[in-house]
Amino acid sequence: EDQVTQSPEALRLQEGESSSLNCSYTVSGLRGLFWYRQDPGKGPEFLFTLYSAGEEKEKERLKATLTKKESFLHITAPKPEDSATYLCAVQPITGNQFYFGTGTSLTVIP
Amino acid sequence: NAGVTQTPKFQVLKTGQSMTLQCAQDMNHNSMYWYRQDPGMGLRLIYYSASEGTTDKGEVPNGYNVSRLNKREFSLRLESAAPSQTSVYFCASRTTGPDYGYTFGSGTRLTVV
Repeated sequence: EDQVTQSPEALRLQEGESSSLNCSYTVSGLRGLFWYRQDPGKGPEFLFTLYSAGEEKEKERLKATLTKKESFLHITAPKPEDSATYLCAVQPITGNQFYFGTGTSLTVIP
Repeated sequence: NAGVTQTPKFQVLKTGQSMTLQCAQDMNHNSMYWYRQDPGMGLRLIYYSASEGTTDKGEVPNGYNVSRLNKREFSLRLESAAPSQTSVYFCASRTTGPDYGYTFGSGTRLTVV
C-alpha cells in the first residue's frame, strides 16, 4: 500500500536554528516526490519536485534531498516567515493519484 | 495572474442540502483535481479530470459528483450533504511539464450541520 509519513508533527525552532523535516514513503515505484508549503487558511504552495535517489534541490533557506525510502527538507538559519506547515506528497509510477502526508507544522520564534 | 480560483470561500449547509463548489484556472492546464483536507488525514483526492471531457474517481468519491465544464472549469457537487463532508476543499490544476507540481486554489471551508 502506498503511504507517506511525515515527522515530526510539529517543530519549534529559534530563529537561526537549522533543522530537518522528514518524509518517509512506501510506494510501488516512484514517479516523483513533492514538497509544498501551506500557510494557515491558504492552499498548499509548490516548492520542489524530486525524481530519483541522490537528487537535491534548493530554494533560499530550503534544501530538499531524496533517498530510496525518504526525503528530507533541510531548513538553514530559518526566519519567522518560514513558519508554515510543510507537506510531502508522492506520485507512484502507475496512475494519477498523489499521496500526501499529514505535514509538519513549523514555528520559528524570533 | 489569478492561478486557480475557488468559490465560495466559506459555506454552511444543513444536512441533506445540495451545493456546487466552483473552480476555474487560467494557466491552460489540462489536468484538474478536487481534494479534501481533514485534520490528521492529509489531503485526499476526491475526483480528477486528466483532460477536458474526462473525469475519474479518486480515493474518496462517495457522495460527490464532478463536471469538467470546459478546459478552465471543474466543479464539485454535493447532492445531499452529510456532516462527514465537513472539510476544507481544494481545487488544483497541474501541468505536464518538468516540476509538475500542483497549483492549488485557496480553498472552500464547508461546514455541514
